[in-house]
Amino acid sequence: AQSVTQPDIHITVSEGASLELRCNYSYGATPYLFWYVQSPGQGLQLLLKYFSGDTLVQGIKGFEAEFKRSQSSFNLRKPSVHWSDAAEYFCAVGDLFGNEKLTFGTGTRLTIIP
Amino acid sequence: DVKVTQSSRYLVKRTGEKVFLECVQDMDHENMFWYRQDPGLGLRLIYFSYDVKMKEKGDIPEGYSVSREKKERFSLILESASTNQTSMYLCASSLTANYGYTFGSGTRLTVV
Repeated sequence: AQSVTQPDIHITVSEGASLELRCNYSYGATPYLFWYVQSPGQGLQLLLKYFSGDTLVQGIKGFEAEFKRSQSSFNLRKPSVHWSDAAEYFCAVGDLFGNEKLTFGTGTRLTIIP
Repeated sequence: DVKVTQSSRYLVKRTGEKVFLECVQDMDHENMFWYRQDPGLGLRLIYFSYDVKMKEKGDIPEGYSVSREKKERFSLILESASTNQTSMYLCASSLTANYGYTFGSGTRLTVV
């Protein structure tokens, strides 16, 4: 069965600093991979996704993620964070072969300090 | 843009009540999902549906049921609410998995 691990429960970053959120997945073949963001009290919004092609994918709000098959990772990055990036971030993995379910990680809460 | 609408943002219900959480999507998506979200546990799948009148159990279906009589509407039912069902409930829909999901804003349910 597929699974996702987000090893960092909470990360604090200064405004303007770079950010990397970690995501490791377990899946037998090439997965679909997603990053979602959840602002307080809201639903989840899709930031970016990967399912084939270029392993560096660009998303909304200036985020990018890199798929590394050898490390089973899909880390999210942003070169310079803004106070509005404070939120919870979820990585998710999907099944390439017909199963429509996504499996989500437990999330990483991002705090931005001035 | 696809919109997924959950009828209530906040609900407070008493133990033993039958609770209905409603979700409507406006883009003719085949797939709809109900998740619950709890601190430290992430999102856990309760039920999902591939088509009208089709449903499949997710990872934590106990104490819940679902109904999908029309393509656009997917209802989650708590047959007899209990305090351990206090949670944030998120509905989502998708065309296919590789497009990702579109989520509603969530319903925060408190059972007292």
